[in-house]
Amino acid sequence: EDKVVQSPLSLVVHEGDTVTLNCSYEVTNFRSLLWYKQEKKAPTFLFMLTSSGIEKKSGRLSSILDKKELSSILNITATQTGDSAIYLCAVGRRSGYALNFGKGTSLLVTP
Amino acid sequence: DAGVTQSPTHLIKTRGQQVTLRCSPKSGHDTVSWYQQALGQGPQFIFQYYEEEERQRGNFPDRFSGHQFPNYSSELNVNALLLGDSALYLCASSLQGTPNEKLFFGSGTQLSVL
Repeated sequence: EDKVVQSPLSLVVHEGDTVTLNCSYEVTNFRSLLWYKQEKKAPTFLFMLTSSGIEKKSGRLSSILDKKELSSILNITATQTGDSAIYLCAVGRRSGYALNFGKGTSLLVTP
Repeated sequence: DAGVTQSPTHLIKTRGQQVTLRCSPKSGHDTVSWYQQALGQGPQFIFQYYEEEERQRGNFPDRFSGHQFPNYSSELNVNALLLGDSALYLCASSLQGTPNEKLFFGSGTQLSVL
């Protein structure tokens, strides 16, 4: 059975801190790993990673995939209160259309 | 450019009733997926529709059924509601042929079963 495990499950930091969120997976026929940000209700797409070692960046957010270790990290530098959200990691297979999500990491950034 | 829209936003039903949730995909998208997100959990895949056909189904009972219309919009039907069906139901759209893992989600329908 496929598994996607995120850690930590929750995190409280101060504005300006840097955070690292982790995602590990056990998936048959891996194709891609995705990160989503969920504020209130609708998850919004952040990154899709398919190759090891290639960092994807968007502003203060970055992510990298390690296919040897079956894991990925999401880094957020200089955190702001607007970064408070649930960060979801999901994995897609070559055979199929479903995304398998982890439980998410709930991040709270305090002023 | 309209994103993914879902209706209704909230719904309260009692056990045994039936419910229909609706979804309009992002403009230009032709594929619709439905996910169930229980409190404190990640979204779980229910099924995906493309060309008006269900082309993959997750581990959900037959009480969950769906439909896709020629305009690509979709409905999710749940029969014989159970308390455990209380969850946020998310619709996501994508475009066949693109990286179809890159989903665009709606804001969901919050279903409460009493």
